[in-house]
Amino acid sequence: EDKVVQSPLSLVVHEGDTVTLNCSYEVTNFRSLLWYKQEKKAPTFLFMLTSSGIEKKSGRLSSILDKKELFSILNITATQTGDSAVYLCAVSSDYKLSFGAGTTVTVRA
Amino acid sequence: GAVVSQHPSWVICKSGTSVKIECRSLDFQATTMFWYRQFPKQSLMLMATSNEGSKATYEQGVEKDKFLINHASLTLSTLTVTSAHPEDSSFYICSAEGPTNPYEQYFGPGTRLTVT
Repeated sequence: EDKVVQSPLSLVVHEGDTVTLNCSYEVTNFRSLLWYKQEKKAPTFLFMLTSSGIEKKSGRLSSILDKKELFSILNITATQTGDSAVYLCAVSSDYKLSFGAGTTVTVRA
Repeated sequence: GAVVSQHPSWVICKSGTSVKIECRSLDFQATTMFWYRQFPKQSLMLMATSNEGSKATYEQGVEKDKFLINHASLTLSTLTVTSAHPEDSSFYICSAEGPTNPYEQYFGPGTRLTVT
């Protein structure tokens, strides 16, 4: 059975801090790893990673994948209160997504 | 681009009744859509994969007779919760395979179902 584990489960930071979220996985037929941000409704897409060692960036967010060690990290720099959300890691295998439990990030002003 | 809508956004129904939830890809065609449910403070659990023109593929433990899925066109999939019970109360989210990359899924806004 595919397994996706995220850590930490939750964290609280202050505005301006840097946050690092972890995602490790064990899946058969790995295709890609995706990060989503979920606020009150459905997840919104952040990144899709398929190759090891290539960092993807979008503003203050960045992510990288290590296919040898089977993990990914998501970094958020200079955090803002609007970054408060649940961040979900999902792994795609055979066109299905398996989600981790998510990391709840709370950014305090 | 790649917008997915769901209707209704929330619904309250009585125990024993059936509820239909629609999922539409608005600006692209989606051969494959997915249905998830999410309980409070938990992650998304895949219920079934919906393929246009064929039967849905259900995940282990999901009752196909209770959760009826129909994918009649390339832009519409429906999930019908039959004979709903309070334990079916949950957040139901659909997604569609991206138009350019099948490994990328775009999510609808979700439907909050409450069964009383």
